[in-house]
Amino acid sequence: EAGVTQSPTHLIKTRGQQVTLRCSPISGHTSVYWYQQALGLGLQFLLWYDEGEERNRGNFPPRFSGRQFPNYSSELNVNALELEDSALYLCASSLGTSAIYNEQFFGPGTRLTVL
Amino acid sequence: SQQGEEDPQALSIQEGENATMNCSYKTSINNLQWYRQNSGRGLVHLILIRSNEREKHSGRLRVTLDTSKKSSSLLITASRAADTASYFCATDEDSNYQLIWGAGTKLIIKP
Repeated sequence: EAGVTQSPTHLIKTRGQQVTLRCSPISGHTSVYWYQQALGLGLQFLLWYDEGEERNRGNFPPRFSGRQFPNYSSELNVNALELEDSALYLCASSLGTSAIYNEQFFGPGTRLTVL
Repeated sequence: SQQGEEDPQALSIQEGENATMNCSYKTSINNLQWYRQNSGRGLVHLILIRSNEREKHSGRLRVTLDTSKKSSSLLITASRAADTASYFCATDEDSNYQLIWGAGTKLIIKP
C-alpha cells in the first residue's frame, strides 16, 4: 500500500513569492492535515480537510490556504512568502475524520526555504 | 500554542539501556499520542492512549498516562541504534478537534 506522498521534496523561493505544495493521501483516507514544522521544533497545525471541506484551521494568517480535491488529494498555498515561512511542511492523512481519535500517517514533507 | 511539553529536551544513552521521556500538558484531554520522527522514516505514529487508560504497551514501548498530574511517559526498553530519533507527544484541545504538539525529545542511542 502506497503511503502519503508529497511534492516537491524541496523548494527555494524568495520573499513575496507564492508557493503551492501538493499531497496525496493513502488510498481510502478522506482526511488530510497540513502542519508546519520549523527547524528543531514541534509541529504547528495548519489546516484540516475532510470530504473536500475545510474542517478546521490553525492560528495562521489567511495567506496560508488550501483545498482538497474530489480524489482527496490536497494543495497548500502560501502567498506573499516571508522569511519565517521557511520550514518543513508535512501532510498527513487518516482513516477516521479527526486527528484526535485516529492515527495519522505522514508524508515525507516539503522543505521550503525562503530567501 | 504548545499543549504537550516533552522532557528532557535531549537524552543520550548507551545501546541496551532503557530510555524514559515525559510529556506534560495543560488542559483536559480525550487522547494522547506519541510519534517518532527520524530522517529515515519520517514521522511515525507509535501509540495512542485514551484518557480512561493508564498504561499501554507496544513491543518495547510502554506508555503511561496520569490525568491527575496531566502527564504521560514513554519508556523504550532495551534501546537500539534505530531508536535514535525525536519523540513527540500530541494531545487534543477540547472541542477543537486538532492535535497540539510538543517540541519533542531528541533521543540519541550510542553504540
